[in-house]
Amino acid sequence: DAKTTQPNSMESNEEEPVHLPCNHSTISGTDYIHWYRQLPSQGPEYVIHGLTSNVNNRMASLAIAEDRKSSTLILHRATLRDAAVYYCILRDFEGYQKVTFGTGTKLQVIP
Amino acid sequence: EAEVAQSPRYKITEKSQAVAFWCDPISGHATLYWYRQILGQGPELLVQFQDESVVDDSQLPKDRFSAERLKGVDSTLKIQPAELGDSAMYLCASRGNSYEQYFGPGTRLTVT
Repeated sequence: DAKTTQPNSMESNEEEPVHLPCNHSTISGTDYIHWYRQLPSQGPEYVIHGLTSNVNNRMASLAIAEDRKSSTLILHRATLRDAAVYYCILRDFEGYQKVTFGTGTKLQVIP
Repeated sequence: EAEVAQSPRYKITEKSQAVAFWCDPISGHATLYWYRQILGQGPELLVQFQDESVVDDSQLPKDRFSAERLKGVDSTLKIQPAELGDSAMYLCASRGNSYEQYFGPGTRLTVT
């Protein structure tokens, strides 16, 4: 399985933009890039996903490098409720679409 | 909004005892997952069902863990006998025709 590498932790000031990086140098052509986040004492929740093009939704934006070996999750204005562990995951489009979680990035938002 | 239900939310058991967890996925979701999450780590897939069939159980410790989804709806994960190292959060997730997995709140297991 292709793996992802993320920083263990990051800090952001409230109402500032946050850029969460992810490296996936062994990504294959059939892998989608997904982001999930896990708030304290909850199960993970879907944030966003993409294949090649940058993506936007109500929660965040996803910027994907041209060679697809890295991506960045962008939270445009961090709030205290965004404090969570963010997981960058590769989903194999083929077969049963298995995903493998890494250890993620713990985001701390400072008021 | 439909949610994945799990019970119990918390379970304390002694080692060598049997323990079971239950998951009710979102209605109509054919794919169901059981994950184990050790504190400070990401979720690890234990077993994946497509309807009532197991399609991936490569990380399931089959000597003590079992999982079933008899009618392709709700599912049970069992551990027998429980060991101290099984203390973790057990998460259930389901997926319909889209790409998104929906997770339940999890069951926190403590083995003493």
